[in-house]
Amino acid sequence: DAGITQSPRHKVTETGTPVTLRCHQTENHRYMYWYRQDPGHGLRLIHYSYGVKDTDKGEVSDGYSVSRSKTEDFLLTLESATSSQTSVYFCAISESEREAEQYFGPGTRLTVT
Amino acid sequence: AQKVTQAQTEISVVEKEDVTLDCVYETRDTTYYLFWYKQPPSGELVFLIRRNSFDEQNEISGRYSWNFQKSTSSFNFTITASQVVDSAVYFCALSEVGDDKIIFGKGTRLHILP
Repeated sequence: DAGITQSPRHKVTETGTPVTLRCHQTENHRYMYWYRQDPGHGLRLIHYSYGVKDTDKGEVSDGYSVSRSKTEDFLLTLESATSSQTSVYFCAISESEREAEQYFGPGTRLTVT
Repeated sequence: AQKVTQAQTEISVVEKEDVTLDCVYETRDTTYYLFWYKQPPSGELVFLIRRNSFDEQNEISGRYSWNFQKSTSSFNFTITASQVVDSAVYFCALSEVGDDKIIFGKGTRLHILP
């Protein structure tokens, strides 16, 4: 199994508070991704990174920011959480080839009350 | 624009039956990659297969097989002699060459009944 961890695994927070989710990999893979999974929508890409300090937006990036200061860590921040951001968040990694298969972390269940 | 359609939202079959999950994709590129992932009830996402657009050979892995047909833009997944452990949500996905992203379908929830 690919070495990917996510923290926290579960979080409940209040509307308007900032939240940061962490993805950590031990595979030294170049690409890292953040997805959210919601019923009826499947997996939707939030942001991704193609290297240290190199990031780009996905299809549902509004309200989210990311940072990658080290190869192994990719942080997702909700600056001011809203109830619509209640979801399960998955981190994924892939090797240097752009079209390589992605390997996923265990997910973080976030509830915004 | 690329798009992946999994028209079957939910399927239920009795154990030992064969079942096929459909995946239809849209892309303007001639070079692309297709994927299948499995998400069991425990929630993790498991990579199953990657296939590039130049390789139309069918793939078989144990009870799993994949049928890639460019003529119909389909990449269907068949489970032979299904088992209860096959119960999961299955996602089909597409990536175009030169694109850093994979686009996922909405998934098919498969129930294997004992």
